[in-house]
Amino acid sequence: DQQVKQNSPSLSVQEGRISILNCDYTNSMFDYFLWYKKYPAEGPTFLISISSIKDKNEDGRFTVFLNKSAKHLSLHIVPSQPGDSAVYFCAATDSGTYKYIFGTGTRLKVLA
Amino acid sequence: ETGVTQTPRHLVMGMTNKKSLKCEQHLGHNAMYWYKQSAKKPLELMFVYSLEERVENNSVPSRFSPECPNSSHLFLHLHTLQPEDSALYLCASSHSGAGGPETQYFGPGTRLLVL
Repeated sequence: DQQVKQNSPSLSVQEGRISILNCDYTNSMFDYFLWYKKYPAEGPTFLISISSIKDKNEDGRFTVFLNKSAKHLSLHIVPSQPGDSAVYFCAATDSGTYKYIFGTGTRLKVLA
Repeated sequence: ETGVTQTPRHLVMGMTNKKSLKCEQHLGHNAMYWYKQSAKKPLELMFVYSLEERVENNSVPSRFSPECPNSSHLFLHLHTLQPEDSALYLCASSHSGAGGPETQYFGPGTRLLVL
C-alpha cells in the first residue's frame, strides 16, 4: 500500500507559467514533508520542506502548500523555467523516525 | 570533494559475482542511508546507520550486506544477486539529532545491472 502518491506521472507547462505538482498521503502520523528534484544521472536534490504546523512555505519561486485535512500537499513553481524540467519527488516522514516515504515522482517538462 | 559521492557510478555484474558499492559524505553528518530505486517505483529505504550503528533494516535480503566503518563512509556489499536487483542504488546522509527530522542529502547513485 503506497502511503505517498503522486498520481500524475508527467506534466508539461509553458515557460513563465505556473507549475503545480501534487502529492497525497494516507498516514496521519506524517508530520514533515519534502520535495526533491532529480535530473537524469544525478541523485535527488532537496528543494523545499514543510512541517505539519504550517500550511505554506515559500522559497523564491517555489512554494509548498499543505492541507492536513485533505492529506494533500502541492508544490508551486512560478514562473516556470526550462531548467526546472526534472522529476519531482515528494517525501513524507514521521518525526523521530528515519524513514522517508517517497512518491513515484512527477516528470515536469517546461517548454520554452 | 563536497556533498555525497558514490562509486562506482555504473556497475554490471553476474549473479555469481561479489562487488561493493561505496558512499562517502563530506557534510559532517552522522546518519547514512541506502535506498533502492527501481523503474516506475518509489525510492525504497534499505538500511539506515546512525552514529555508525545500524538502526533500520527494511526487510532486505541477506545478499545485500551494509557496512559503516565510520560516520563518513558507507558500503553496500553485494553477492549472488538476482536480475531483479538491477536498479539505481542511492546513498544519502543527514544530521541525526534530537530536534526532529533532518533533510537527507543524496549522492548521484550507482546504476547496477545484474546479468
